[in-house]
Amino acid sequence: AQSVTQPDIHITVSEGASLELRCNYSYGATPYLFWYVQSPGQGLQLLLKYFSGDTLVQGIKGFEAEFKRSQSSFNLRKPSVHWSDAAEYFCAVGPTNFGNEKLTFGTGTRLTIIP
Amino acid sequence: EAQVTQNPRYLITVTGKKLTVTCSQNMNHEYMSWYRQDPGLGLRQIYYSMNVEVTDKGDVPEGYKVSRKEKRNFPLILESPSPNQTSLYFCASSPFDSPPGELFFGEGSRLTVL
Repeated sequence: AQSVTQPDIHITVSEGASLELRCNYSYGATPYLFWYVQSPGQGLQLLLKYFSGDTLVQGIKGFEAEFKRSQSSFNLRKPSVHWSDAAEYFCAVGPTNFGNEKLTFGTGTRLTIIP
Repeated sequence: EAQVTQNPRYLITVTGKKLTVTCSQNMNHEYMSWYRQDPGLGLRQIYYSMNVEVTDKGDVPEGYKVSRKEKRNFPLILESPSPNQTSLYFCASSPFDSPPGELFFGEGSRLTVL
């Protein structure tokens, strides 16, 4: 069965500093990988996705992620965070079954930005 | 504006009192799904629907029912809520012709069962 691990429950970074959120997955084949962001009181919004090809993918809001098959990782990065980036970030893998767009989510990483 | 709308956004209820959380999307999406979000567990799928009158169980369907009588609506029904159903619930939708896994989420419904 597929699974996603986000080892960091909570990360605090200073505004303007760089950010890396970790994600490891377990999956039998080439995965579809996603990062979603949940701002306070909001639903989840897709930041970026990886299906195939270039292993460095660009997303919205200045985020990027790199797929590393050898490490089963899909870490999210941003060179300089803004206060508005404070949110919860979810890594996800899937879907695997035709017709069911089910994603398997990690437990999330809460990002706090300090001035 | 394209959106997925859930109601109510917040609800406190008591054990055994039937309730329905509504979900409506205005994007003519075929696929709709319900997730619950719990601390330390991430989001888990409850039910999904591929189109009108087509529904199926997700990973945690116990204690829930759904229906899909119209394309735009996908209500989540708790016939006899219990405290372990206290959670944050999300409805999501996507069109068949979108890349896999690109879901549009509602803003969530926080349910507390006493």
